[in-house]
Amino acid sequence: DGGITQSPKYLFRKEGQNVTLSCEQNLNHDAMYWYRQDPGQGLRLIYYSQIVNDFQKGDIAEGYSVSREKKESFPLTVTSAQKNPTAFYLCASTNRTGWQPQHFGDGTRLSIL
Amino acid sequence: AQKVTQAQTEISVVEKEDVTLDCVYETRDTTYYLFWYKQPPSGELVFLIRRNSFDEQNEISGRYSWNFQKSTSSFNFTITASQVVDSAVYFCALSEARKTSYDKVIFGPGTSLSVIP
Repeated sequence: DGGITQSPKYLFRKEGQNVTLSCEQNLNHDAMYWYRQDPGQGLRLIYYSQIVNDFQKGDIAEGYSVSREKKESFPLTVTSAQKNPTAFYLCASTNRTGWQPQHFGDGTRLSIL
Repeated sequence: AQKVTQAQTEISVVEKEDVTLDCVYETRDTTYYLFWYKQPPSGELVFLIRRNSFDEQNEISGRYSWNFQKSTSSFNFTITASQVVDSAVYFCALSEARKTSYDKVIFGPGTSLSVIP
């Protein structure tokens, strides 16, 4: 079955540590997205990529970095510069932007040790 | 600026009751798309419906129905005869359709629905 796989499901970060969240899709979608979900705030866009080797900052990109070396992969690194990283992170993809619904992974919950 | 408001933070209903989740949006665009997603406890958002701004016809899918009214900028979602499996967080979302740049999706804050057996 086609879909989006996020790993790990739970992740813990120590102070000063960078951590990388994995997102892989086999839907052959061009566009991929990373969202952060905090209680009561809905989803906020961190980064998005519309094609390989290209990505753009979203609304809350500070403290995060991404790469898009392959169409199917869009990893997110939460750097030590992100002072409040505890959240639920969702990866999504879509074949076309905007009017096509996004397909989501089942998320990674990141916590601080 | 674009904005999506879901005024109901949490709703609890008893099984078999009907429940309506409200969604009010703001946009200056004449062409846009509206979505509803369901987020069960497992975490993954599941797409439920998409509506474009030119189609105000209400839609029914099984126990689910949607009422789109441009005059009030609302896109409400009704679950008839609710079931425990309907317990989830529901998000309303708005997307531009400009085609010349990234079509940003704005999500509402979500409504947490609990259906009590």
